[in-house]
Amino acid sequence: QKEVEQNSGPLSVPEGAIASLNCTYSDRGSQSFFWYRQYSGKSPELIMFIYSNGDKEDGRFTAQLNKASQYVSLLIRDSQPSDSATYLCAVMDSSYKLIFGSGTRLLVRP
Amino acid sequence: NAGVTQTPKFRILKIGQSMTLQCTQDMNHNYMYWYRQDPGMGLKLIYYSVGAGITDKGEVPNGYNVSRSTTEDFPLRLELAAPSQTSVYFCASSSHISYTGELFFGEGSRLTVL
Repeated sequence: QKEVEQNSGPLSVPEGAIASLNCTYSDRGSQSFFWYRQYSGKSPELIMFIYSNGDKEDGRFTAQLNKASQYVSLLIRDSQPSDSATYLCAVMDSSYKLIFGSGTRLLVRP
Repeated sequence: NAGVTQTPKFRILKIGQSMTLQCTQDMNHNYMYWYRQDPGMGLKLIYYSVGAGITDKGEVPNGYNVSRSTTEDFPLRLELAAPSQTSVYFCASSSHISYTGELFFGEGSRLTVL
C-alpha cells in the first residue's frame, strides 16, 4: 500500500512568519510531488509541483524535495491569515494516480 | 466556464438505498477521478478513468461502480448504501496529469447515509 504521511496539525504560526509543512512517502519509485491547498468546505487547488531534488520557488512558496530521504516539504514565507487552510501533499504513482496525504491544517494568527 | 460540475451537492440516503453521483466536465479532459474525503482526512481515490470506455479501481473501490461512456461524463454509482459511505465526494479531471499533476475539482457532493 503506497502511503503519504503528513502531520495533521494544526500548525500555528504568527502573521509574517515562515510556515514549514512536511510530508513523507513510501513509494521509492515516485517521480512527481504536489502540494494542494484546501480551504474549509472547498475543493483542493494545486499550488506547487516538483520533480527534481532540491528547491523550487514560486512567489512566497518554496517546495523542497529529497528523494533519498523520501521527503517533501513546503515553506510559506511571510505567512498571511489568508494562508490558513489545510495543505495536502500528493504523490503521483506509475499509473498517473495521485495519492494524497491526510493534510496539515495551518493557522496563521494575525 | 463551468469546469467540473457535480450533482447533487447534498444528499441523505437510507441504508441499502442506491444512488448515482453525476460528474460532467466541459474541458475535454481525458483523465477523470472520483475521490472521497472523510472529516479531517485526505482524499482517497475510488475509481479513475484515462479515457472514454476505460476505468480502473483506486484505493477504496468497494461498494462503488463507475462508467465512462463519453469524455465528458463520469458517474459514480453507490449500489447498497452503508453508513461507512458517509463522506464528501469529489470528482476531478485533468488533461496533463503526467506533467503538472493538476486536477480540476468539482465543488463536492456531501453524502450522508443513515
